[in-house]
Order: sequence, then C-alpha cells, then structure tokens
Amino acid sequence: SQQGEEDPQALSIQEGENATMNCSYKTSINNLQWYRQNSGRGLVHLILIRSNEREKHSGRLRVTLDTSKKSSSLLITASRAADTASYFCATERTSGSRLTFGEGTQLTVNP
Amino acid sequence: DAGVIQSPRHEVTEMGQEVTLRCKPISGHNSLFWYRQTMMRGLELLIYFNNNVPIDDSGMPEDRFSAKMPNASFSTLKIQPSEPRDSAVYFCASSFGGGPIQETQYFGPGTRLLVL
Repeated sequence: SQQGEEDPQALSIQEGENATMNCSYKTSINNLQWYRQNSGRGLVHLILIRSNEREKHSGRLRVTLDTSKKSSSLLITASRAADTASYFCATERTSGSRLTFGEGTQLTVNP
Repeated sequence: DAGVIQSPRHEVTEMGQEVTLRCKPISGHNSLFWYRQTMMRGLELLIYFNNNVPIDDSGMPEDRFSAKMPNASFSTLKIQPSEPRDSAVYFCASSFGGGPIQETQYFGPGTRLLVL
C-alpha cells in the first residue's frame, strides 16, 4: 500500500492565491520529500525535510513536518499558472532505503 | 549535465514482443531506480540498484520483467513477453546515496509504453 497519501486529490485556485497540500504517512521516516510532475514529464524534486526538522522554506515553498501526527504540508504562496502540476510526497522509511510515493495532488492554477 | 537520459521516449509494440527500455543515469550517481506510473496504480518502484547491484527488486511484477545494470552509466529494463497491462510510463531516476539515508532523486523524462 502507498506510504504517503496526499490530500486533496485535486485543487483548483486562482493565480495569486496560496495552495496547501497535505501528506499523511503511516510508519516512521528518515525524511520526506516533495516532487512536482508536469503533464507528460518526469518528476522534479522540490524540497526535502528530515525527520528532525519541523519547517523548511525554499522560495515560494514552505514545507512543514509533524512526526507526531505523521503528516506534512506543502504550501505554495502567490501561486502562478506555471505551478499547475501534480505534486507528490515521498517518504524514506527508517527501516529501508527506498522512497515510497503517494498518489499525488493535481493542482490547477487558473490565470 | 544532461540529466537522466531514457530511450526510447515512446514505444508501441504488440503483445508478446520483447521490449527493452534504456537509462543513462547522471554521471557520479551511484543509485538507480526504475519506476512505473499508471493512472490506476500511481508511481510504483520496480527495482533499485546501488553501485550497479540490485538492492530491492520486490516491486518487479513478475518474471517477465528483468533489469540489469552492467556498469555505472547504463541500465536496461526488459519485458518479455509484453502484455497490454504493461502499458504505462516507465521512469528511470538516479541519486547519489543508497545507504540508510535516501537523498534527492533525479528523474528522466520517461518512456511511454503502449502494448497492443
């Protein structure tokens, strides 16, 4: 079964608004990563947060991690039409070295 | 750097034929991953190599699938014989790491496979 589950499955917002996507997981992790996938393309790494970190920023991206709730959120501020893509969380469990991807959130930013 | 290179980008074949997908990882990376993506099952890890050695092949669906990594700069994923349910986008990814801590993975553009 998928380790990460994104919520919502789909999100549609207007340009300039903020977009928040959530990811929940079931087992302990070493780190959690967020990736973006544009239609017809490969995944692109956005940001990695380690299990001992609570928040991380990269440009317009803000990621939080709550290991007690086994959840993470990705916030995209001041969204742009170019942010339209699917966003996946991926977890690396403490017990192994493979990444397990969630099913993704489809974000649509309307101009 | 050219990034992860996959070939072919698109493949259309008939059921029963052999399909070979190729991947060149980023130079210097020592871990390589093969994924399959479908609408129904999402992104699935098929197999993972570290220093050219298969580490985890638990995601390989069945014996029709095989993967090799003869050297640090090349890997193949072979399906023989292919079936319509193998139709998917197959991604190769590479990273530098492979120990207990997994680092950023860099994905190739994918091979879109259609088995008729």
